[in-house]
Amino acid sequence: NAGVTQTPKFQVLKTGQSMTLQCAQDMNHNSMYWYRQDPGMGLRLIYYSASEGTTDKGEVPNGYNVSRLNKREFSLRLESAAPSQTSVYFCASRLIGGFSSPLHFGNGTRLTVT
Amino acid sequence: DAKTTQPPSMDCAEGRAANLPCNHSTISGNEYVYWYRQIHSQGPQYIIHGLKNNETNEMASLIITEDRKSSTLILPHATLRDTAVYYCIVRVENNDMRFGAGTRLTVKP
Repeated sequence: NAGVTQTPKFQVLKTGQSMTLQCAQDMNHNSMYWYRQDPGMGLRLIYYSASEGTTDKGEVPNGYNVSRLNKREFSLRLESAAPSQTSVYFCASRLIGGFSSPLHFGNGTRLTVT
Repeated sequence: DAKTTQPPSMDCAEGRAANLPCNHSTISGNEYVYWYRQIHSQGPQYIIHGLKNNETNEMASLIITEDRKSSTLILPHATLRDTAVYYCIVRVENNDMRFGAGTRLTVKP
């Protein structure tokens, strides 16, 4: 099992460009999450999806959109990138229902906006 | 949601037990305590979680006070590879999992 796979691993954008960060999990998890982590800081929740077809805002949703394409995939889109969005982006997933389960994280996408 | 308070940094000698505290005085009855760690800039790694009882697994032990207002993560024999940022999260069994700033643990030889 690959777990949580994020693509790309690295990306450099110019201000105003758009891009989509991809995330896929093969653990049959129903909930998926997008976090960002700025240098020296903790993780901040951008958006999450409790189940296929639903999405909710987290702490820092401005400037981002998400799509829960199917149970496996949850993408994060930057429509017009800004230098303030330079960060490491982590995708995570977990199984919800009847018991407590931990988050499983991908290895991150390192994004630089110039 | 219960908020958590952790010391920003701690040191521990290699081979000794590392005890990482977390205060969550506003925790409610159905909220779990989770611990994760992040080594360098890798994705966070799950360590352990609990509701009321103390828990132990191959990585660590979790001690939750009787009033549930605080907890301690114990790494019984810390190694250099345990140097990381440790996050304590308190959350009900739903979907909004938010991390704080965590504790930076440095294990020294």
